[in-house]
Amino acid sequence: QKEVEQNSGPLSVPEGAIASLNCTYSDRGSQSFFWYRQYSGKSPELIMFIYSNGDKEDGRFTAQLNKASQYVSLLIRDSQPSDSATYLCAVRKAGANSKLTFGKGITLSVRP
Amino acid sequence: EAQVTQNPRYLITVTGKKLTVTCSQNMNHEYMSWYRQDPGLGLRQIYYSMNVEVTDKGDVPEGYKVSRKEKRNFPLILESPSPNQTSLYFCASSLLTGGDETQYFGPGTRLLVL
Repeated sequence: QKEVEQNSGPLSVPEGAIASLNCTYSDRGSQSFFWYRQYSGKSPELIMFIYSNGDKEDGRFTAQLNKASQYVSLLIRDSQPSDSATYLCAVRKAGANSKLTFGKGITLSVRP
Repeated sequence: EAQVTQNPRYLITVTGKKLTVTCSQNMNHEYMSWYRQDPGLGLRQIYYSMNVEVTDKGDVPEGYKVSRKEKRNFPLILESPSPNQTSLYFCASSLLTGGDETQYFGPGTRLLVL
């Protein structure tokens, strides 16, 4: 099983819709979870991080973490064409090793 | 301005010709890391460093070397580049303590090995 797995894409939603991006991870000891956005040809930039079970909201973005089921998701409300990008899920394990493991990413396209 | 810089941004070279990609950060971050990004494979970690003189292998270290002689710099060295090292490379840095684990990425270096 891959350490961090994301839905195969691409994902296409109409403008104004909710985009739901999912990610599962294999290591139950994982403690930190991140969502990065990467525009084509650019470097990844952090959207949100979440450490505790439940929801965390920031503007149009909501991260959801369920450690029992080992998944983390990102909801984008009122999707805009400018949200079209690749979204990377990243997971950091507990312990002194601060290695961050990324999923392969999912490409989101928001249709005007 | 807080940032991670990489040089060069684009590089075309030939097999076997040693090259160095520099990475520098001005945020006093302890942790620095190199990734390569390839279509269909995502971001894969090459090497990382948790502080000066402390480096360790990531997932794909073969063919690469790094050094961390100063806190701000973390160069990536390809002693004898091969075509399979053609890729997009990112340097990143972050704090290790203080609650903010955000990794800040450099702009990327696109490498073509002929």
